Amino acid sequence: EDQVTQSPEALRLQEGESSSLNCSYTVSGLRGLFWYRQDPGKGPEFLFTLYSAGEEKEKERLKATLTKKESFLHITAPKPEDSATYLCAVQAVGGGSQGNLIFGKGTKLSVKP
Amino acid sequence: KAGVTQTPRYLIKTRGQQVTLSCSPISGHRSVSWYQQTPGQGLQFLFEYFSETQRNKGNFPGRFSGRQFSNSRSEMNVSTLELGDSALYLCASSRTGTGGYEQYFGPGTRLTVT
Repeated sequence: EDQVTQSPEALRLQEGESSSLNCSYTVSGLRGLFWYRQDPGKGPEFLFTLYSAGEEKEKERLKATLTKKESFLHITAPKPEDSATYLCAVQAVGGGSQGNLIFGKGTKLSVKP
Repeated sequence: KAGVTQTPRYLIKTRGQQVTLSCSPISGHRSVSWYQQTPGQGLQFLFEYFSETQRNKGNFPGRFSGRQFSNSRSEMNVSTLELGDSALYLCASSRTGTGGYEQYFGPGTRLTVT
C-alpha cells in the first residue's frame, strides 16, 4: 500500500535556528513528490516538485531534497512568517492510486521571535 | 492569473441533508481533483475529473459524487450527510491529470454537519 509518513508531527524553532523536516514514502513507483505549505484556514500552497533521487529545489529559506525512500525540507534561518503546516505528498505510477496525491499528516512548524 | 476558487466558503447542514460544492479551476487547467481534510485523517483523495470524465476515485462511499462541466468547472455532491462528513473540502486543479504536474489548491469549503 502506498504510504507517506512525515516527522516530526510538530517542531518549535527559535528564529534563525535551522532544521529539517522529514518525509518518508512507500510507493510502487514514484511519479513525483510534492511539498506544500498550509496556513490555518487556507488551502495548501504549492512549494516544490521533485521527480528523481538526487534532485534538489530551493526557494528563499527552503530547500527540498529527494532520495529513493525519503525527502527532506531544510529550513535555513527561519523567520516567524515561516510558521505553518508543511505537507508532503507523492504521486504514484500505476496501482490503485495512480494520478492522485497521497498526503502525509504534515509537520506543524512554529518559529518564535 | 486567478487561482482556484471554491464556493461557498462555509456551510452548515443537518444530518440527512445533501450538499453541493463548487470549484472553478485555474484558467487552462483541465484536471480537477477533490480532497477531504480532517484533523484525524489528514488530506484524503476523493476523485479526479478530466475533460468531464472521472479518471480516478478514492475510497469513499457512493454518497460522495462529482461532475465536471465543459468549461472545466466542477461540483461535488454529498447526499445523506453524516456527522463524520464535517471537514474542509479542497479542490485542486492541474494542467493535466497525468504526469507529475503540480496541483494548485483552492481555499476550501468548510462543511459542518449538525
